[in-house]
Amino acid sequence: DSGVTQTPKHLITATGQRVTLRCSPRSGDLSVYWYQQSLDQGLQFLIQYYNGEERAKGNILERFSAQQFPDLHSELNLSSLELGDSALYFCASTPGQGGPGNTIYFGEGSWLTVV
Amino acid sequence: AQSVTQLDSHVSVSEGTPVLLRCNYSSSYSPSLFWYVQHPNKGLQLLLKYTSAATLVKGINGFEAEFKKSETSFHLTKPSAHMSDAAEYFCVNTNAGKSTFGDGTTLTVKP
Repeated sequence: DSGVTQTPKHLITATGQRVTLRCSPRSGDLSVYWYQQSLDQGLQFLIQYYNGEERAKGNILERFSAQQFPDLHSELNLSSLELGDSALYFCASTPGQGGPGNTIYFGEGSWLTVV
Repeated sequence: AQSVTQLDSHVSVSEGTPVLLRCNYSSSYSPSLFWYVQHPNKGLQLLLKYTSAATLVKGINGFEAEFKKSETSFHLTKPSAHMSDAAEYFCVNTNAGKSTFGDGTTLTVKP
């Protein structure tokens, strides 16, 4: 158990809908990361937040947004969903900003299926 | 810029034989390199990490990796494969908050 908690574990929704994925980082970790893992594109970094502020941005679509709240939990919002958004979404956390040597701890992921 | 290349998408070994999963990297800065394992329907679990201390890094479950700067490699090895090692393995290069993942290597262990 990494200490990173993600909900829901599984989600099925229709195209055009909007969903919110939730992540609680390890106790004391200030950085939260979001990743998307799909069969055709592998594991892709989406976005990182550090202590409430956006820190780094990866291949995140404009239809997606994220935020980190004062209690350090994070939410990833996915809107206008398309079939291709079906994937496993991982949250991860690190104690610091993600510098050299910082181990990234992953949650179990949220499976999103868009039908 | 940094990148990670896992040279084999699939590796198949027999139980009890050695495992070698290959990873090459490129990095503008001194790399921080990690190996993670992902079992089916599970999150990624850290196996080991290199952060410029010892070049031979020992991890969990008998895995180890050697950092070779001259070859820009960080190959993962295990002397004797176990059935429970069957999983997908990711080599990761982290710098300044950005992590670059390899495409993964699926390890199959035959009885």
